[in-house]
Amino acid sequence: GIQVEQSPPDLILQEGANSTLRCNFSDSVNNLQWFHQNPWGQLINLFYIPSGTKQNGRLSATTVATERYSLLYISSSQTTDSGVYFCAVGTDRGSTLGRLYFGRGTQLTVWP
Amino acid sequence: NAGVMQNPRHLVRRRGQEARLRCSPMKGHSHVYWYRQLPEEGLKFMVYLQKENIIDESGMPKERFSAEFPKEGPSILRIQQVVRGDSAAYFCASSPQGSQPQHFGDGTRLSIL
Repeated sequence: GIQVEQSPPDLILQEGANSTLRCNFSDSVNNLQWFHQNPWGQLINLFYIPSGTKQNGRLSATTVATERYSLLYISSSQTTDSGVYFCAVGTDRGSTLGRLYFGRGTQLTVWP
Repeated sequence: NAGVMQNPRHLVRRRGQEARLRCSPMKGHSHVYWYRQLPEEGLKFMVYLQKENIIDESGMPKERFSAEFPKEGPSILRIQQVVRGDSAAYFCASSPQGSQPQHFGDGTRLSIL
């Protein structure tokens, strides 16, 4: 299967700070998604970004597919940004069609 | 548009009982996926289904676990004779086609006494 590594594993910030989360993956992919798991356990879709750059408010993401990594940027962080951020990738080839491979996540804590 | 609906949100079972988890995909989505999140771990793929077909069940334990997505009604993940190690959050996702972005439900938290 595809290996997905996320860094850093833990991140502690003060409100207002900016941060960059990284996701490296071991094979070419057709699907890359970023999720936020909030303290209630819900998985919130942030971005579908197999390549290129997208922005949504204070969040933006960039995927460089040829170099097999993606970055999630959080600007002016707020306490409500706390939670675990997961990167997940998938491919449309062969026997693993459809499934997503998840990284172990980055645990973000934002203090007021 | 309603999102992916999972029920129940929380399920408590005693060892040896059966657990049934339900998932209704988003409207227009015919592909359903189940994932399991064990404590302190990331999410792991279990099974991929289309209507009346199991496409890939290689992530699902061979014993006690089964899944279906009938022509009518929700997808069901069934766990027979539950054990303590089955305690986890089970997430369902759906997509309009394979390899398209997947939309996740809120999960079912299964606790085994």
